[in-house]
Parts: sequence; structure tokens; C-alpha cells
Amino acid sequence: GENVGLHLPTLSVQEGDNSIINCAYSNSASDYFIWYKQESGKGPQFIIDIRSNMDKRQGQRVTVLLNKTVKHLSLQIAATQPGDSAVYFCAEIVAGGTSYGKLTFGQGTILTVHP
Amino acid sequence: DADVTQTPRNRITKTGKRIMLECSQTKGHDRMYWYRQDPGLGLRLIYYSFDVKDINKGEISDGYSVSRQAQAKFSLSLESAIPNQTALYFCATSRTGRDLFGGYTFGSGTRLTVV
Repeated sequence: GENVGLHLPTLSVQEGDNSIINCAYSNSASDYFIWYKQESGKGPQFIIDIRSNMDKRQGQRVTVLLNKTVKHLSLQIAATQPGDSAVYFCAEIVAGGTSYGKLTFGQGTILTVHP
Repeated sequence: DADVTQTPRNRITKTGKRIMLECSQTKGHDRMYWYRQDPGLGLRLIYYSFDVKDINKGEISDGYSVSRQAQAKFSLSLESAIPNQTALYFCATSRTGRDLFGGYTFGSGTRLTVV
């Protein structure tokens, strides 16, 4: 099934530490994955994406890892800053059929960075 | 100006009233979506439209209807609002098909309270 409507886990880290946020997805047909950051009172903002033919992609201070064998996605944030405090959502896009291009959100994680 | 604009930003309405939430975009994207977010939960898809003549139900479409007036405009209606429709509503847009680089663009949300 799709990971929607679940209560959110939390992650607390100290400023300067590295953060790892995990996400499990359920649909093996998904071929595109995205991480979003949502700050309080705002809409989700794109952070980084990865296609299913890749297992790692790096951006500025962020890295996304994809393990298709166990349907697992992770977001690593290096040198976490207080401004990184937000809710982080993974999302998947299903390939093929009438669902193609429709984004399904996975379980979000509340990240709190302490100064 | 924002790429995806939602109006109103906040609305309080009474049970049984009809209310329309509006979304307009300047991204030139064909696809538009309405999501609902409840406190502590992820985003759930209400309706989506892949082009002006295409409307599709999402996971939680009961009690809602939509209208795609133009490529740039997609409105969400609650025909007879009820308190459990109190939530944060997001509109989003995306490109067509496999050209999904950058994922979706979200509006800033409409906070709806039904009393």
C-alpha cells in the first residue's frame, strides 16, 4: 500500500552534527524519488531527487541514497544547522498506467536542530 | 510573484457552507494537484488533473469537487463543509510525463477551519 496519513516520527540533533532521515516506500514500480522540506506554515520545497537507475546522488550538504532491494530511501544532511529544522517528506512517482506522474508522499520526519 | 498562488490563505467557514479554494500558476505546467494535510500527518491527494480536459480522483476525494478552468487555474470546492475537513490544503503543479526534474512546485497553502 501507499505510505500516507501516518503520524510523524521525530529526530533531534545538535548543530553541526550530520542527520540521517529514513523513508520506506512500498511500490516497486516507482522510478523517481524526491525529498521535500516543509517549514511551519509553508508548502513543501524540493530538496533533491533521484531516479531509480541510481543509488546515490549528492547536492549541497545533502545526499540521497536509494536501496531498491529493500525499498528504502535516506536523506543525509551534513553539518546540520538550525535552519534545517523542518518536516522532511520523501515522495515517489509511480511509473506506468494511469498513476504515472502522480506523486505519493511517504512518511514525514520532524527534524529539530538544537544550537 | 509566487509560481503557484493559492487564495485565500486562511478561511473560517460554518458547517454546511459551500467554499471554493483557488489555485493559479505561472509555471506553464500541464499538471495540477490538490493535497490535504492534517496536523502531524503527511499530504494526501484529493484530486489531480493532467491537462485541462482531464480530472481524476485521488485517495480522499469524497466531499470535494474540482474544476480546471484553464491550464493555469485549478479550484477545489467543498459543497457542504464539515468540521473534519478542517485542514491545510495545498495546490501543486508538475511537468508532463517523464520530464519531472525538480518534482512538484507547491503553493503556500490555504488553512481552512470549519466550525
